[in-house]
Amino acid sequence: GQQLNQSPQSMFIQEGEDVSMNCTSSSIFNTWLWYKQDPGEGPVLLIALYKAGELTSNGRLTAQFGITRKDSFLNISASIPSDVGIYFCAGHLSSSNTGKLIFGQGTTLQVKP
Amino acid sequence: DAGVIQSPRHEVTEMGQEVTLRCKPISGHNSLFWYRQTMMRGLELLIYFNNNVPIDDSGMPEDRFSAKMPNASFSTLKIQPSEPRDSAVYFCASSPGLTGELFFGEGSRLTVL
Repeated sequence: GQQLNQSPQSMFIQEGEDVSMNCTSSSIFNTWLWYKQDPGEGPVLLIALYKAGELTSNGRLTAQFGITRKDSFLNISASIPSDVGIYFCAGHLSSSNTGKLIFGQGTTLQVKP
Repeated sequence: DAGVIQSPRHEVTEMGQEVTLRCKPISGHNSLFWYRQTMMRGLELLIYFNNNVPIDDSGMPEDRFSAKMPNASFSTLKIQPSEPRDSAVYFCASSPGLTGELFFGEGSRLTVL
């Protein structure tokens, strides 16, 4: 079946540092999405990417849809303590005519003040 | 606007008991998803509905699990009988279309003793 490999599994960084995480797949996706999950909450959509090569920013977050359509990365610049949480990538295959997403295993981010 | 509403937020029950989790999707969203999250397996899609019709239930672990969506504003996930290995956080999510953009509830944390 389809799988997403997300790395790194976890990161422990100093406040102010930049962060980078990525996701790769053996399958092609039409949409890549990045979610963040705070402790005790459900995942919240951060960024959605719809075109190969697309680079999208949302504040200090930047994400790119890989040109091969099999990968995506998320960068966080100048990290702050509230960036703590689990970040998930997810791929969507629109040709499946469903809303079904495939999720990565998540990257746990801890930020030291 | 209200997001996806799940109840209960927490449930502790004994093995063999019936568990019913409830979800109210965002008004106007026509797709609804039930996910289970554990440390070991991450986010797993159990079942999803489109326009109240179950589309894919291949993720439902076994016959002890069942889900219904009697109308556009309500869905239930039932486990009968429950087992300790069912302990997890169960998320409901809804989507306005087939883009893969999901809006998650806050989850129902289930503990089966």
